[in-house]
Amino acid sequence: NAGVTQTPKFQVLKTGQSMTLQCAQDMNHEYMSWYRQDPGMGLRLIHYSVGAGITDQGEVPNGYNVSRSTTEDFPLRLLSAAPSQTSVYFCASSRQDTTEAFFGQGTRLTVV
Amino acid sequence: SQQGEEDPQALSIQEGENATMNCSYKTSINNLQWYRQNSGRGLVHLILIRSNEREKHSGRLRVTLDTSKKSSSLLITASRAADTASYFCATCSSNTGKLIFGQGTTLQVKP
Repeated sequence: NAGVTQTPKFQVLKTGQSMTLQCAQDMNHEYMSWYRQDPGMGLRLIHYSVGAGITDQGEVPNGYNVSRSTTEDFPLRLLSAAPSQTSVYFCASSRQDTTEAFFGQGTRLTVV
Repeated sequence: SQQGEEDPQALSIQEGENATMNCSYKTSINNLQWYRQNSGRGLVHLILIRSNEREKHSGRLRVTLDTSKKSSSLLITASRAADTASYFCATCSSNTGKLIFGQGTTLQVKP
């Protein structure tokens, strides 16, 4: 049982490049979300999804896009990376939006 | 802005002592959750307390919730060096269901 899997674990991008952070869960959870974690800031919600085909914005959505074509996958896209997007990104899933969340191991992204 | 504010930001204690962390929040919640994060790792769920509950236990963990004061506390009893980690409270909004995290408390337990 893999739980929540994030790839890649580490990534270095140049300013202006694009990339997709992958997140997959095998628990058949409806609710999935993306957070970024910066020193002294805790975790901030970027985007979330309450089910396939449904996404919504969190606290800090600018510069990020998401889609949810299947229950299992919830990729996060950076269309034009900026140094301000240097952070550790966590994907999480839960059975419902009010139950405990299961987190991936994170993707450490550096934008130079 | 983030929903939860945690206090203290950092805590250092000796093994065997109790550790108490506090969390305050601003809006109506469905539940409040506590998570633990070891350095460089993902978050692990510890305990969930619903808005109609006042206290909950899980092993050496005790969580209280005071909805009138919009605050919660996490008590770790008889701490161990292995409890060294960051601890986060997260509030689940009554209106949106979104899980919003506080800034966390870094706990160091010295052997």
